[in-house]
Amino acid sequence: SAVISQKPSRDICQRGTSLTIQCQVDSQVTMMFWYRQQPGQSLTLIATANQGSEATYESGFVIDKFPISRPNLTFSTLTVSNMSPEDSSIYLCSVAEQLNPPYGYTFGSGTRLTVV
Amino acid sequence: RKEVEQDPGPFNVPEGATVAFNCTYSNSASQSFFWYRQDCRKEPKLLMSVYSSGNEDGRFTAQLNRASQYISLLIRDSKLSDSATYLCVLLNAGKSTFGDGTTLTVKP
Repeated sequence: SAVISQKPSRDICQRGTSLTIQCQVDSQVTMMFWYRQQPGQSLTLIATANQGSEATYESGFVIDKFPISRPNLTFSTLTVSNMSPEDSSIYLCSVAEQLNPPYGYTFGSGTRLTVV
Repeated sequence: RKEVEQDPGPFNVPEGATVAFNCTYSNSASQSFFWYRQDCRKEPKLLMSVYSSGNEDGRFTAQLNRASQYISLLIRDSKLSDSATYLCVLLNAGKSTFGDGTTLTVKP
């Protein structure tokens, strides 16, 4: 399966600032996603990162707050903008792969964000 | 009602026990089903896909019941290393939905 490098692994940020999370995949993948996992909860899809076009956001998430870039098929970034303590969470990138079938998801190791 | 519901547990079982988790879903159009395992402070990792015919991987057996809209995971001969949170995941039209997870603790 694909190997995903996500960084930073953790950060502590001041409210009002922004943090950009990077996700690098060791192979070209069509589908990349960004998820959030708040403490004690499951994963919530933020958006699908589309190569060469604007990301597709899920209900409750907007581009101004979570701008996403996908310049090529192996790389994506998620920015958490104008952070507040409510943004403290784990952010994970993920790719969809054909796993003998059907599609499954491989995740990066996550970015643990604390906003103070 | 949540689209995917799991008993959060925790399930506390002794080593060697057999334990089963269920996951119910509301969208009958769901196309693919998975069980993921998430260790504390780690990312989720695919445990196994779930097929209508049922599938087995060593001590793990997954079943899908489309008529009743649930999937199950059976773990036989539990090991200490099986302690984790188990997430059921549904895939429909390319969009994934995660359950909140069931926490399993296997004790010596």
